[in-house]
Amino acid sequence: EVQLVESGGGLVQPGGSLRLSCAASGFTVSSNYMNWVRQAPGKGLEWVSVIYSGGSRKYAASVKGRFTISRHNSENTVFLQMNSLRTEDTAVYYCARDGDRYGDAFDIWGQGTMVTVSS
Amino acid sequence: QSVLTQPPSASGTPGQKVTISCSGSSSNIGTKTVNWYQQLPGAAPKLLIHSNNQRPSGVPDRFSGSKSGTSASLAISGLQSEDETDYYCAAWDYILDGYVFGTGTKVTVL
Repeated sequence: EVQLVESGGGLVQPGGSLRLSCAASGFTVSSNYMNWVRQAPGKGLEWVSVIYSGGSRKYAASVKGRFTISRHNSENTVFLQMNSLRTEDTAVYYCARDGDRYGDAFDIWGQGTMVTVSS
Repeated sequence: QSVLTQPPSASGTPGQKVTISCSGSSSNIGTKTVNWYQQLPGAAPKLLIHSNNQRPSGVPDRFSGSKSGTSASLAISGLQSEDETDYYCAAWDYILDGYVFGTGTKVTVL
């Protein structure tokens, strides 16, 4: 079965760090474009970052310089290292695949992991 | 703040047709393909329409998408109670160099 499972969310103080994981099954992350998308409580969707199959990365302006996306090919897992966290980073974080079957659309999503930044 | 603007809400009675607009600019919708996502309460988003007007397998044909210039639309024909949820448009933006989502529209079935 093709699926994504996120983990690593939790409560962290402002200025702290957290690393999210996204484990894939049924396909290879290194052959796809893998994204992180977040949703603050009661708000809309916000794209966070992408790692391309070739290894290059892009980030939203709101997280650039603080967040780092990476992947571990042998574990078939994508990570999001989040540093210098702010209260406005509080959100559910989803991992999503941009496969080549549906243009640049995100066809597979994980269930999400909640990150709460609060003192 | 999203660069793709959607109406906050839309509504219709069962069987009616509802249309949701998505307004962007030349750096996103004007030059890139539009995708639409449906998000049920408490769930992850689900791909509904890709490449402006294409339905992934399993999506009912009462959902359709279109694009003209810097705007796009999602139409739901034969509205059903299970369509009552949130919908988001999205596209790549070459100036922001990132993927952008619309502000979201909540559809209510009266």
